Amino acid sequence: EVQLVESGGGLVKPGGSLRLSCAASGFTFSSYSMNWVRQAPGKGLEWVSSISVSGNYIYYADSVKGRFTISRDNAKNSLYLQMISLRAEDTAVYYCARNQGTTGDCWGQGTLVTVSS
Amino acid sequence: QSALTQPASVSGSPGQSITISCTGTSSDVGGYNYVSWYQQHPDKVPKLMIYDVADRPSGVSNRFSGSKSGNTASLTISGLQAEDEADYYCSSYTTSSTLVFGTGTKVTVL
Repeated sequence: EVQLVESGGGLVKPGGSLRLSCAASGFTFSSYSMNWVRQAPGKGLEWVSSISVSGNYIYYADSVKGRFTISRDNAKNSLYLQMISLRAEDTAVYYCARNQGTTGDCWGQGTLVTVSS
Repeated sequence: QSALTQPASVSGSPGQSITISCTGTSSDVGGYNYVSWYQQHPDKVPKLMIYDVADRPSGVSNRFSGSKSGNTASLTISGLQAEDEADYYCSSYTTSSTLVFGTGTKVTVL
């Protein structure tokens, strides 16, 4: 069974940092590109970042460029999102999603990031 | 990276058909056949319903169908059922090699 389990969310002050992790199982992680997608409370879905199978191709939404860094460790079947200079508007549930082509076909349960003083 | 435009809400009676539109530009929806649709029930994880404009993942009911014309994609739900009441989001691949989601549509079964 395909499983994606996010962790690392929590409460952080504005300007602070957080590192999210996504543990993958049930499929060959190194064969899939991966995404981070977020959803602010009561709002819609927002694509955050994508990374290719080898990590050579990385893309970010304008809203997080320069502050967030996506990475992966294929040996550990894990995806990461390093977030710095966090703002109130970064408050959201963060999902990792497996890419099948250009589509997120499997999603984790999400981890909540709250940026507040 | 502007969000794709969807109607805020669509409603229908059980058994009816409804269609949700998703309007983008030639840089996203109109430029590729890479439009997906997701269903999200309250406090649940989004579920993929349609990919590559009109393909259904295994296990998704054939009451869900997708299409595209120009810069607008559409999701049609036929034989509307109570369990279809949820939020629906479209997404598209873009010329910048990024993804963009739609604004979301709340489907209400009357």
